[in-house]
Amino acid sequence: QVQFVQSGAEVKKPAASVKVSCKASGYTFTSYAVHWVRQAPGQRPEWMGWINAGNGNTKYSQKLQGRVTITRDTSASIAYVELRSLTPEDTAVYYCARGKGAGGYDPFDCWGQGTLVTVSS
Amino acid sequence: DIVMTQSPDSLAVSLGERATINCKSSQSVLYSSNNKNDLAWYQQKPGQPPKLLIYWASTRESGVPDRFSGSGSGTDFTLTITSLQAEDVAVYYCHQYNSAPFTFGPGTKVDIK
Repeated sequence: QVQFVQSGAEVKKPAASVKVSCKASGYTFTSYAVHWVRQAPGQRPEWMGWINAGNGNTKYSQKLQGRVTITRDTSASIAYVELRSLTPEDTAVYYCARGKGAGGYDPFDCWGQGTLVTVSS
Repeated sequence: DIVMTQSPDSLAVSLGERATINCKSSQSVLYSSNNKNDLAWYQQKPGQPPKLLIYWASTRESGVPDRFSGSGSGTDFTLTITSLQAEDVAVYYCHQYNSAPFTFGPGTKVDIK
């Protein structure tokens, strides 16, 4: 079955960077988009960006542009999100999610278990 | 950016009764090329990721019980849970995937009365 397994929780100091991984299984990794979505405590989900796992094209939220990078390793079926210049406002659970199609403009039909990133001095 | 709003913020419904959640987008999410609305509904339980219930405003995801249904078009949408079950207690989010940045509503918490 389609499954995503994300890396473990992280605690970072302000101004640091964090990189979260998401290993996919159960489907052809390069045939679908992978999105990253974060959710601060008690808040609605916030879309961060997506990557076409086939050709590597990316699109990012303007709000995070310049601080976020999404990459993938097709040989290992892993997607990554890196967020730089962290502030306490970046404290959230970070999710990877599969787009239902390859093009990015699709609902998210399978989600990782989430990775808690805490930013605190 | 397309702003998503939901009403009510929360509701409590008796077991077996109907729950209705509304979602409004600040601009149309109708994709003219296929005449489908790029609107999804998710269910989220504490400590879990969101789960896709409905997409294209009214298409039920595989495995989702048929007591969940979606309707609406353009800017106004509704999620209906007929005959609420105990396992339906959760927060429900609408989500537009028509225009990046893709955005979510603030959520509606559903409880048992």
